[in-house]
Amino acid sequence: SAVISQKPSRDICQRGTSLTIQCQVDSQVTMMFWYRQQPGQSLTLIATANQGSEATYESGFVIDKFPISRPNLTFSTLTVSNMSPEDSSIYLCSAGGTSPNEQFFGPGTRLTVL
Amino acid sequence: LAKTTQPISMDSYEGQEVNITCSHNNIATNDYITWYQQFPSQGPRFIIQGYKTKVTNEVASLFIPADRKSSTLSLPRVSLSDTAVYYCLVGDGAAGNKLTFGGGTRVLVKP
Repeated sequence: SAVISQKPSRDICQRGTSLTIQCQVDSQVTMMFWYRQQPGQSLTLIATANQGSEATYESGFVIDKFPISRPNLTFSTLTVSNMSPEDSSIYLCSAGGTSPNEQFFGPGTRLTVL
Repeated sequence: LAKTTQPISMDSYEGQEVNITCSHNNIATNDYITWYQQFPSQGPRFIIQGYKTKVTNEVASLFIPADRKSSTLSLPRVSLSDTAVYYCLVGDGAAGNKLTFGGGTRVLVKP
């Protein structure tokens, strides 16, 4: 299994600013992902963070709003740009495991935009 | 990715067995059935996975009928700490392990 840590654990930000969330894995992994989860709702995949190339975004998410970096096999960042209150959510990163459909999730970053 | 349908919520009492059934009528031949558990303020946790028949581990059992169009997650003798949201997912894992989460089942275990 992999242990995932995220920083910050929570933040309160002003409208129009940007926040970068860091995700660290305790071992090298091929696949990393970023999800968003509204309170009381299910998870929605934002993008797959590809090492050495641009992230692959899901429908409804764009690079200008959610730029992602993946400089190596243990680390990724997600930036939430030009934030609005609608971006208030929990952002989770995950790392792919060795079994089909297996992922290990971080604890999440709770973001509140005022 | 096959769509899944599961009950929105279930209540149970400590010591009882909880069974959550998930429908996945459009499951593909190569798809696995996977369940995740999410406690409040935590990320989801992989708990069990199967392809057919029955799978059991230290946390749960997963029953899959021959047609694979549904599956049942069984939690034996639940405790208060089993209160969580349980997600059923179906996928072959080939597409970079990309996962699609459905609505999940909110299980409340009462004393």
